[in-house]
Amino acid sequence: AQKVTQAQTEISVVEKEDVTLDCVYETRDTTYYLFWYKQPPSGELVFLIRRNSFDEQNEISGRYSWNFQKSTSSFNFTITASQVVDSAVYFCALSEESTGANSKLTFGKGITLSVRP
Amino acid sequence: EAGVTQSPTHLIKTRGQQATLRCSPISGHTSVYWYQQALGLGLQFLLWYDEGEERNRGNFPPRFSGRQFPNYSSELNVNALELEDSALYLCASSFPTSEETQYFGPGTRLLVL
Repeated sequence: AQKVTQAQTEISVVEKEDVTLDCVYETRDTTYYLFWYKQPPSGELVFLIRRNSFDEQNEISGRYSWNFQKSTSSFNFTITASQVVDSAVYFCALSEESTGANSKLTFGKGITLSVRP
Repeated sequence: EAGVTQSPTHLIKTRGQQATLRCSPISGHTSVYWYQQALGLGLQFLLWYDEGEERNRGNFPPRFSGRQFPNYSSELNVNALELEDSALYLCASSFPTSEETQYFGPGTRLLVL
């Protein structure tokens, strides 16, 4: 069965600090997809990134970067030089090819990030 | 391009009543998904509709049901409401191929009194 673990529940940092959000996943599939979503106080989930299981290249997008390591089943998310606007709940999610990759997302519990001025 | 829209934004019902939540997908998307985000339970998959058919269902009782219309919009119906049904209900849409990303709407906050 698929499972996503976000062991950190709450993180508080001061503006301009770097912060890493951890995500560990479990799946028996060889083909799967990993996602990060951001949920600001308004409630809407905002898509950040999608990575398939065959692409282990790390990705950088502005202040955001993602480190995907199949050997440790981890897909960690780093925010560099954090800003107050980064304050939100961040979710890691997994979908599996065998169940129809777009049939459902399994989410972690989410990490509440607070960035203080 | 318009995103996923949901209505109403807030809904207050009493125990035993029925609730109907609506979702319009992004233009071109044929798949619609429903998720429940209840306090302490996280985000849980409810239902997936594609081309008017229910394709997958999460671990929820039958009083959670829905449908998808020919224009790909969708309704989620919750019958015999219980207090623990109070949650944020999120709708997402995507293209029907397996690699596509789900994009979410702003949600409907349901409060059952």
